[in-house]
Amino acid sequence: GAGVSQSPSNKVTEKGKDVELRCDPISGHTALYWYRQSLGQGLEFLIYFQGNSAPDKSGLPSDRFSAERTGGSVSTLTIQRTQQEDSAVYLCASSLAQGAGDTQYFGPGTRLTVL
Amino acid sequence: GENVEQHPSTLSVQEGDSAVIKCTYSDSASNYFPWYKQELGKRPQLIIDIRSNVGEKKDQRIAVTLNKTAKHFSLHITETQPEDSAVYFCAALLSGGSYIPTFGRGTSLIVHP
Repeated sequence: GAGVSQSPSNKVTEKGKDVELRCDPISGHTALYWYRQSLGQGLEFLIYFQGNSAPDKSGLPSDRFSAERTGGSVSTLTIQRTQQEDSAVYLCASSLAQGAGDTQYFGPGTRLTVL
Repeated sequence: GENVEQHPSTLSVQEGDSAVIKCTYSDSASNYFPWYKQELGKRPQLIIDIRSNVGEKKDQRIAVTLNKTAKHFSLHITETQPEDSAVYFCAALLSGGSYIPTFGRGTSLIVHP
């Protein structure tokens, strides 16, 4: 079946603008995660959704970052008043999160460049 | 919270040699340990995982070992090939808990032909 998809694949924006990144998880996956990966770095956890609720927002770096998930499916990550340090690849992943199937399936990522 | 340390950060081997990447974790309650491979410009993909009720798991040229007492687990790649060149990430999480994995910082493996 279809994997995790993300859009756009690339986004170039000017400092101070708002951006919205989209993630379509694998159908039936209840858990959804957002990560940030800077060039040559590891995976920085941002936020986790179980269904439509976000029990853990501890990774969001500032109040300029927010995320929502509707219908237990699509999620959007919004970055307001973007800064140059926000430039990174934003990865989304989903999993069944039912105890036995904890494998995370990653999307291709959105490469964000803030000029 | 969980803390995962991964070593080495870079590993260079000759084709045909073995490669070993090690991770340690801090939370003894963690019980699921996946390994992801990320090729340049691509998404991370699961290559092998192990649960805390087993000590070793193999899949062709790759294997993972787990020492619960010492709280460390390792990825072993035998007969390395140039296409094994990638960044490898380990992770630890409590299956049935928060479902949020803690990732290591990654190991860049370079296999020279």
